[in-house]
Amino acid sequence: DSGVTQTPKHLITATGQRVTLRCSPRSGDLSVYWYQQSLDQGLQFLIQYYNGEERAKGNILERFSAQQFPDLHSELNLSSLELGDSALYFCASSSPRAGGNTGELFFGEGSRLTVL
Amino acid sequence: AQSVTQLDSQVPVFEEAPVELRCNYSSSVSVYLFWYVQYPNQGLQLLLKYLSGSTLVKGINGFEAEFNKSQTSFHLRKPSVHISDTAEYFCAVSDPGSARQLTFGSGTQLTVLP
Repeated sequence: DSGVTQTPKHLITATGQRVTLRCSPRSGDLSVYWYQQSLDQGLQFLIQYYNGEERAKGNILERFSAQQFPDLHSELNLSSLELGDSALYFCASSSPRAGGNTGELFFGEGSRLTVL
Repeated sequence: AQSVTQLDSQVPVFEEAPVELRCNYSSSVSVYLFWYVQYPNQGLQLLLKYLSGSTLVKGINGFEAEFNKSQTSFHLRKPSVHISDTAEYFCAVSDPGSARQLTFGSGTQLTVLP
């Protein structure tokens, strides 16, 4: 158990809809990362938040947005869903206590999104 | 930009045989290197990491990796695999000066056969 909690574990929805994925980082971790894993694209970095502020942005579509709340949990919002958005979405967290900039991330078990 | 190449998408190996999973990275700056493992229906778990110092890094479950700067490689090895090692393995790189996001390779599916 990594200590990172993601909900829901599975989600099935239709094209054009909007969904919200939720992530609770490990206790004390200030950084939250979102990754998308699909068969054709592999693991793609989407976005990072640090203590409530956006820190880095990767291959995140304009239809997607995220935020980190004062209690440090994060939500990833996916809107106008397309078939190609079907993927496993991972949240990861890291701690500034881990010896500095080591890059070690702790991953949740993911949210599997299926768009029909 | 950094990139990671995992040369083998699938590696089948018999139980108790040795295995090497290959990883090459592309970066013009110093890097941190990682191997993560993903068991079926689970998230990624850190196997080992190279930050600095000794080029031979030992990780969990008997795995080790060697950082080779001249060849820009970070191959993962295990002298004797077990059925339970069947999983997908990801090599990843990060730039120490960046915001710490990892760039992952495409993954190698290791299948250990009885």
